[in-house]
Amino acid sequence: NAGVTQTPKFQVLKTGQSMTLQCAQDMNHNSMYWYRQDPGMGLRLIYYSASEGTTDKGEVPNGYNVSRLNKREFSLRLESAAPSQTSVYFCASTTRGMANYGYTFGSGTRLTVV
Amino acid sequence: QKEVEQDPGPLSVPEGAIVSLNCTYSNSAFQYFMWYRQYSRKGPELLMYTYSSGNKEDGRFTAQVDKSSKYISLFIRDSQPSDSATYLCAMINTGGFKTIFGAGTRLFVKA
Repeated sequence: NAGVTQTPKFQVLKTGQSMTLQCAQDMNHNSMYWYRQDPGMGLRLIYYSASEGTTDKGEVPNGYNVSRLNKREFSLRLESAAPSQTSVYFCASTTRGMANYGYTFGSGTRLTVV
Repeated sequence: QKEVEQDPGPLSVPEGAIVSLNCTYSNSAFQYFMWYRQYSRKGPELLMYTYSSGNKEDGRFTAQVDKSSKYISLFIRDSQPSDSATYLCAMINTGGFKTIFGAGTRLFVKA
């Protein structure tokens, strides 16, 4: 099925460990996004890539890095995980750079940092 | 103050009821308004999309935007247990790359 694929679905890290969350879309979308979702906080933008070759910070970028590997793939890296990064992470993509037509979301990665 | 305010609920209704979900916002530059539905342990899925003010209907769902009051609504008619989910409002200004989401309202429809 066409859509946004995220891996892994679940992960437990120890404080200070690093990991990369992978995201790939097969809809030929230009723009890709990483969000985190916490209870009572809604979805908060971490980083986004308006088009291949560009990345920009969102609302909560500290502690994260991203790579737009090609048009299909957009990865999120935690260099030194902290308990405050325990969250559900969603990748999303949209067909236009202005994101005016809504996102297609992946199914999420549930990350726990202990 | 958050840019988008949404009552987290939970909202519990009997099957067949009309449901009204609402969001208020503060940024008058928002032009595009969306509603997403999110089932437990799943990613959000786009439900309705509206540009500027007015109403949009799709089956049992009606989205309403009142820009003068900075208020948007989603109405669900003949609600079903399968409508039980969290509903997120979202909005973006023209030319913007960042969508702002409400925190979501949890809805339970009882059979």
